[in-house]
Amino acid sequence: DIVMTQSPDSLAVSLGERATINCKSSQSVLYSSTNKNYLAWYQQKPGQPPKLLIYWASTRDSGVPDRFSGSGSGTDFTLTISSLQAEDVAVYYCQQYYSVPPGSFGQGTKLEIK
Amino acid sequence: QVQLVESGGGVVQPGRSLRLSCAASGYTFSTYAMHWVRQAPGKGLEWVAVISYDGNNKYYVDSVKGRFTISRDNSKNTLYLQMNSLRAEDTAVYYCARAKVEVVVIGPIDSWGQGTVVTVSS
Repeated sequence: DIVMTQSPDSLAVSLGERATINCKSSQSVLYSSTNKNYLAWYQQKPGQPPKLLIYWASTRDSGVPDRFSGSGSGTDFTLTISSLQAEDVAVYYCQQYYSVPPGSFGQGTKLEIK
Repeated sequence: QVQLVESGGGVVQPGRSLRLSCAASGYTFSTYAMHWVRQAPGKGLEWVAVISYDGNNKYYVDSVKGRFTISRDNSKNTLYLQMNSLRAEDTAVYYCARAKVEVVVIGPIDSWGQGTVVTVSS
């Protein structure tokens, strides 16, 4: 099974500053025939279900603000929030869907305001 | 818009069974794969199972294989999770979720229900 490891586990960033969350997979999630990375990012606010932010490692889902961006390929990925807003306080998860079962998630990164 | 409403959660003793349901609306249910994802109290997300749009293909995380069964009734726009031989470690919020891309099983999840709570305790 592919293991997803996020870093850091928690992060405190000042409003308006950049936040960066990393995700590493135990094996490549780049599918050669499609040249796509099978990697998604989700945001979960307290008491709410997760929300899809990014898929194919770098494609923003509909309605997601452009301050959110995804990058990386193969085994190493990054979610960047370019200018942190108060409403971005949440836990962020990466997920690989290259190998199902299971569609394993990272352990989560808790983002707070400094 | 897409709406997913889970039901069937509750408190159950170890070793007993429970069936969760998820009523879908706002889209063509029969053309999308569906997932169950759970979240233990204070913990992260754990993918549990997925079923193809036509119900012919089903996949499970190892920890529930042989105990849980995912199924769907496309005539009723409803997804199910039959959970047998429940254990304390199955205690979690269970989310019903829809694949983003029609037909394919492999892909991101773009719609989630609010979840239903399952507590396994004597």
